[in-house]
Formats: sequence, structure tokens, C-alpha cells
Amino acid sequence: GEDVEQSLFLSVREGDSSVINCTYTDSSSTYLYWYKQEPGAGLQLLTYIFSNMDMKQDQRLTVLLNKKDKHLSLRIADTQTGDSAIYFCAEWMTYNTDKLIFGTGTRLQVFP
Amino acid sequence: EPEVTQTPSHQVTQMGQEVILRCVPISNHLYFYWYRQILGQKVEFLVSFYNNEISEKSEIFDDQFSVERPDGSNFTLKIRSTKLEDSAMYFCASSLGQGSTEAFFGQGTRLTVV
Repeated sequence: GEDVEQSLFLSVREGDSSVINCTYTDSSSTYLYWYKQEPGAGLQLLTYIFSNMDMKQDQRLTVLLNKKDKHLSLRIADTQTGDSAIYFCAEWMTYNTDKLIFGTGTRLQVFP
Repeated sequence: EPEVTQTPSHQVTQMGQEVILRCVPISNHLYFYWYRQILGQKVEFLVSFYNNEISEKSEIFDDQFSVERPDGSNFTLKIRSTKLEDSAMYFCASSLGQGSTEAFFGQGTRLTVV
């Protein structure tokens, strides 16, 4: 199947850490991605991780990959109100195909 | 920085009319994609295009849809007879090659069918 699942909502206080989780299906995916979508806007690539890595850190963002469980997470440190958006994880499927499959999206709301 | 551009940003059309959504992918990219996002829902794959032909399409991409690369720069999505349920944000993307690190997305065209 091609289901990439995420929890729908996350609400955090400004300054706290946010953790957005994702489970994917294709164990042959070579790259996994996190995209951010602000209201009415396009898809902004935040970060990606290669499948042979367990962790990638990029400033306030930390991506953790558990390949055995097909679980991907995005941690945002010191969450700001400007981080409020929908976050999509995506996997690049390559087995008999070549396309990005997006998750259901997690709406992150940051309150003061 | 190179980017994928889409026009128009918003299109309103009457049910039954044909629409053409336009995209200019990044110039040295070889793979092109269209995705759709119905309001409040996930981003869904429609079609991929390589070497002047469709390489893959989803169930959504029925006979009402077609894609074309009419010249060396544009990549278009045509919907022949629009339905209300075609109202969505349509994203174009391009990538350098198969399994490349990143697909670059345009800002999207919001299609409203009335």
C-alpha cells in the first residue's frame, strides 16, 4: 500500500519542543522528507533524510528515522508562533515506481 | 535560486469548461509531476512525465486529464470538462532524475469550479 500516516493535530506552547510523527510503508524508500505548508501557500521543503541515516539535525529541526518500524519523526526545538502550519512527511517510492507519496499532514498550532 | 513557477495562481471556471494549468519546471530537470490537494486534505499524486511521455498515473488521472510538454520549457495539465470535485490546489513539481534527492514544487494553482 501507499499509506503514509500522521496524527492530525498537535498543539504546543511557544518555546516548547514539538514532535510530529509519521509512519510510512515502503521499506525501499531511499529518501524521506518533511514539508511545511502555511495557510494558502505551497509546499516548502524543510529537510530530508537518507534512509541509511538514523538522525539528521538542521538548526532547530531534528529528524529521527527508525527504519525497522518505518517511523519518522520531526522535532522542532523552541517552537515559535511562525511554526504554526501543516507539516507533511513524504516518502520517495522507488520500487516499480518513482514518485513522492505524502502523509495525511499534521496541523501544528503554537499558542503563546 | 532556480524555482518551479506555476500560472495562474488562481483560476475560476464554470463546470464543464476546459482549463489548462501551466508550469515551468527547472530548466535542467527531466522528471515532471502534477499533484492535487483538495481543501483540507492530503497531497495526492496525479501523474509523472519523463522523456515526453507519461511514466505513471494515478486512478484520479482519468480520461478528463491530460499532460503535455508543448515546448522545451512548459509543462501543462489540461482538464477537459471540469467538475465541481476538480476544485483543488494543483501543484507541479520537477526533479533532476529518478530517485533524485529532491522534487521542487511550484506554489500551486488554486482551481475553483463553480
